[in-house]
Amino acid sequence: NAGVMQNPRHLVRRRGQEARLRCSPMKGHSHVYWYRQLPEEGLKFMVYLQKENIIDESGMPKERFSAEFPKEGPSILRIQQVVRGDSAAYFCASSPPEGGPNYGYTFGSGTRLTVV
Amino acid sequence: AQSVSQHNHHVILSEAASLELGCNYSYGGTVNLFWYVQYPGQHLQLLLKYFSGDPLVKGIKGFEAEFIKSKFSFNLRKPSVQWSDTAEYFCAFSSGSARQLTFGSGTQLTVLP
Repeated sequence: NAGVMQNPRHLVRRRGQEARLRCSPMKGHSHVYWYRQLPEEGLKFMVYLQKENIIDESGMPKERFSAEFPKEGPSILRIQQVVRGDSAAYFCASSPPEGGPNYGYTFGSGTRLTVV
Repeated sequence: AQSVSQHNHHVILSEAASLELGCNYSYGGTVNLFWYVQYPGQHLQLLLKYFSGDPLVKGIKGFEAEFIKSKFSFNLRKPSVQWSDTAEYFCAFSSGSARQLTFGSGTQLTVLP
């Protein structure tokens, strides 16, 4: 029973390039949440999606960041024209439709993005 | 604004010492409280959670936490730590039926053998 799978584990991008981070939720989970952990800080909520629908993107930076969760395939967090300040660990969590932090919330191992 | 404060960034203990990690939250309404642990290179794992009822909550691996509403606190405790407890510990809360968690900045615990 695979957990939440994130890939790649490590990603290095030059300034100005695009970064694509993938998250495959646990089997039976249809809701995905993305968090970002900047150095020396806690995880900060970015966006909450269900299949083909963004539910809450209140934590997403206004520019360069986007997220999707298509009908088929993993959820993608996309960062365009990366800057050094985007270097962070990006975590994904998933839950069943009726779940949330109180039930069934499961985290992946994260993607560590380094912008050089 | 909603926030979580973890007072200690780095704690170093010897094996068998007792542990208490502080956590205070800032929110005026009903909260659900959590402690997560992240071992090196691994995903966040839930240690314990509090929704309602008995304010003393027991979790996995011998950890417990006490919710003190008047102090807005949810401190994590373990009577005797082991080397394998070396990890980063995060306190978090969600409000009402919200789907998102608000995290503290984490406490890195190092247990010396």
